[in-house]
Amino acid sequence: DAGVIQSPRHEVTEMGQEVTLRCKPISGHNSLFWYRQTMMRGLELLIYFNNNVPIDDSGMPEDRFSAKMPNASFSTLKIQPSEPRDSAVYFCASSLAARFGVRRDSGNTIYFGEGSWLTVV
Amino acid sequence: KQEVTQIPAALSVPEGENLVLNCSFTDSAIYNLQWFRQDPGKGLTSLLLIQSSQREQTSGRLNASLDKSSGRSTLYIAASQPGDSATYLCAVKNTGFQKLVFGTGTRLLVSP
Repeated sequence: DAGVIQSPRHEVTEMGQEVTLRCKPISGHNSLFWYRQTMMRGLELLIYFNNNVPIDDSGMPEDRFSAKMPNASFSTLKIQPSEPRDSAVYFCASSLAARFGVRRDSGNTIYFGEGSWLTVV
Repeated sequence: KQEVTQIPAALSVPEGENLVLNCSFTDSAIYNLQWFRQDPGKGLTSLLLIQSSQREQTSGRLNASLDKSSGRSTLYIAASQPGDSATYLCAVKNTGFQKLVFGTGTRLLVSP
């Protein structure tokens, strides 16, 4: 299996520009997570999807951030307009959650992509 | 609100030593706990997952224990090697939630 695939790996953009990060989860996984990692705050969950439906977006910083999952094999995280404080590593992760309800837990392992390193100048 | 703390923040040991990394959490109503490894510039790799009903899990030279009642987990690395140098993070999943809450990690350096 190719694992969780993220693109771009690195992006440098100017303040005010739109940034789109992309993720392809592991085939067959039904839960997808977007995390942000910074030195100051560590790893923070931004949003997660279960069966392509956003379940919890309470970690999304503000309206400039949006995430979509149009199908089981693709998700995007968009920042518009970007600001220097958005500079971070953005990780996508996927897992196979229990199928008996989107709120129920699964003990299954979560697999991370290699991250998208974003710098906003 | 679940909070996860890892001590020490950084650890430097000579090759061959056995070592223990600590993780503590404030809410004992967890579903499971995972230990991850992160290499510089890379994503996270899951090392061990312990369900709330389990006391420990082992994989090779790694052993993770869980004491829910005291809100603690330890990751034991036997006979450390330079290739073990990385940041180790623990993360807990609370019952009823999908999200993982991460600790800030322990940065390990094993010198030859």
